[in-house]
Amino acid sequence: DAKTTQPNSMESNEEEPVHLPCNHSTISGTDYIHWYRQLPSQGPEYVIHGLTSNVNNRMASLAIAEDRKSSTLILHRATLRDAAVYYCILREGAGGGADGLTFGKGTHLIIQP
Amino acid sequence: EAGVAQSPRYKIIEKRQSVAFWCNPISGHATLYWYQQILGQGPKLLIQFQNNGVVDDSQLPKDRFSAERLKGVDSTLKIQPAKLEDSAVYLCASSANHRQSGELFFGEGSRLTVL
Repeated sequence: DAKTTQPNSMESNEEEPVHLPCNHSTISGTDYIHWYRQLPSQGPEYVIHGLTSNVNNRMASLAIAEDRKSSTLILHRATLRDAAVYYCILREGAGGGADGLTFGKGTHLIIQP
Repeated sequence: EAGVAQSPRYKIIEKRQSVAFWCNPISGHATLYWYQQILGQGPKLLIQFQNNGVVDDSQLPKDRFSAERLKGVDSTLKIQPAKLEDSAVYLCASSANHRQSGELFFGEGSRLTVL
């Protein structure tokens, strides 16, 4: 699987926007960019995913660079409940068979009140 | 809609003992995954089932770990005998679809402590 690089940790203030970066310079043309987050003592939960175009949903926005070698997860107005580890994952979009997500260490997001 | 159910939530055993974890996926989800998450690390895939067949078990330590998914619904993960390094959270996830559109839904996990 292609690899992603994320900062180990980031800190932000409550009610401010948060931009979480992810580098994936070896991404292939069929790889989708997925983001999951893991709150303390819980399993990971899906946040958003995209291929080439920017994506928005109720939780966040995903901005994908034109060359697809990096992406940014945007939380528009962080709350204390957004404090979690955020994982950026590449998932191959072609073919069948094994498709389990490969998690890195992610970014530990700290929200200050 | 009920989520992925796992039990037990916590288990403490001594090394060389055996343990089993149970997972009930979301109804209708054909794909089921078991992950191992050691403290401070991201989850690591152990095994993937599609219905009741194994799709990928390349990272499952088969000398001590086994998993089955009878009738393509519930699944059990067994460790026998356990080692100290097996202390981790064991996460079960399920998915209705493959790949790009297939969101994975995770359970809360089963935390194993091996003494």
